[in-house]
Amino acid sequence: TQLLEQSPQFLSIQEGENLTVYCNSSSVFSSLQWYRQEPGEGPVLLVTVVTGGEVKKLKRLTFQFGDARKDSSLHITAAQTGDTGLYLCAGAPVLGGSQGNLIFGKGTKLSVKP
Amino acid sequence: ETGVTQSPTHLIKTRGQQVTLRCSSQSGHNTVSWYQQALGQGPQFIFQYYREEENGRGNFPPRFSGLQFPNYSSELNVNALELDDSALYLCASSLGGAENIQYFGAGTRLSVL
Repeated sequence: TQLLEQSPQFLSIQEGENLTVYCNSSSVFSSLQWYRQEPGEGPVLLVTVVTGGEVKKLKRLTFQFGDARKDSSLHITAAQTGDTGLYLCAGAPVLGGSQGNLIFGKGTKLSVKP
Repeated sequence: ETGVTQSPTHLIKTRGQQVTLRCSSQSGHNTVSWYQQALGQGPQFIFQYYREEENGRGNFPPRFSGLQFPNYSSELNVNALELDDSALYLCASSLGGAENIQYFGAGTRLSVL
């Protein structure tokens, strides 16, 4: 069974602080996607990383895909209250997955306090 | 705004009943996937449809079934509802491909009493 372990599960910080969320697996993924989900809404795609070692930046958010394509991280600089939400990583399996499957982590619930 | 729309937004059913959830995919997307998201969990893959055929299935029993129509919209049907079926049901559309980039609708919140 392929799993994506996300950590931490919960994170509560003050506005202006930096944070990093991790997504780890023993399996290789052809791509990894990061989503943000608000309560009662569907996940909204933030970024897709495809190449091992790839780094993508989206304003204050920096995403990195591990060299072996088994892990990823999301770093937020100078967090704002608007960053509050559930952050999900999702991997597209290279081998052995049910075709069409995205494997999701359990998510990191981020709360940024003013 | 992803362009993926789901209906209804909320639904309350009783144990043993049947339910049909609907999804309209984003324009130009020919692939639709369905996920179940229990409270406090990440989405779990139910199945995917590509050009009206089931293209992959997760670990869900046969009472979870689906359809895709020629316009690529889709339905998820669940028979003999159980209390544990209470969840947010998400539909995602994509163009397929190895990267499998999927765009999600807002979901249908199903409560089984």
